[in-house]
Amino acid sequence: AQSVTQPDIHITVSEGASLELRCNYSYGATPYLFWYVQSPGQGLQLLLKYFSGDTLVQGIKGFEAEFKRSQSSFNLRKPSVHWSDAAEYFCAVGAQETSGSRLTFGEGTQLTVNP
Amino acid sequence: DGGITQSPKYLFRKEGQNVTLSCEQNLNHDAMYWYRQDPGQGLRLIYYSQIVNDFQKGDIAEGYSVSREKKESFPLTVTSAQKNPTAFYLCASHKGMSNQPQHFGDGTRLSIL
Repeated sequence: AQSVTQPDIHITVSEGASLELRCNYSYGATPYLFWYVQSPGQGLQLLLKYFSGDTLVQGIKGFEAEFKRSQSSFNLRKPSVHWSDAAEYFCAVGAQETSGSRLTFGEGTQLTVNP
Repeated sequence: DGGITQSPKYLFRKEGQNVTLSCEQNLNHDAMYWYRQDPGQGLRLIYYSQIVNDFQKGDIAEGYSVSREKKESFPLTVTSAQKNPTAFYLCASHKGMSNQPQHFGDGTRLSIL
């Protein structure tokens, strides 16, 4: 079965600083990977996805992520954080099973942005 | 605009009572999902459905039931057998291919009176 680890429960950065959120996955085959963002009391919004091909993927709101198979990682980055980026971020790995597809989510990283 | 509508946004349940959470999508998506979210635990899969009239248990199906009579609707019933139902419930859907990203509703927060 697949699993996802987000090692950082909470990260605080200053506005304008760079950001990297870590995600490690465990899956026997080539995974498909996603990053989502959640504001308080809301659903999840897709930031970006990786299926195959170029290992550096661009997403919305200036985010990017790099897939590193050798490290089983899919870290999310942003060169300059804005106050509106404060939210919770979830990494997810997808798998195809005989009964259909499903995602496994990490436990999330809460991002605080200081002015 | 197309999307996923969850209702109500807030729901209160008395002990021993069943409640049903609504999830409707007008995206023409085939697959639909229900997740439970608790603080610090991420999202856990309750049930999912790939096609009408078929659904599978997820990781925490005990105390929950679902139906999929129409493509656009996937209601979740929280039964009295669910001993700790207080949580934030999220519904999601995606197109037919398994590697397509899931789209989420805005959730329903269920509390026990």
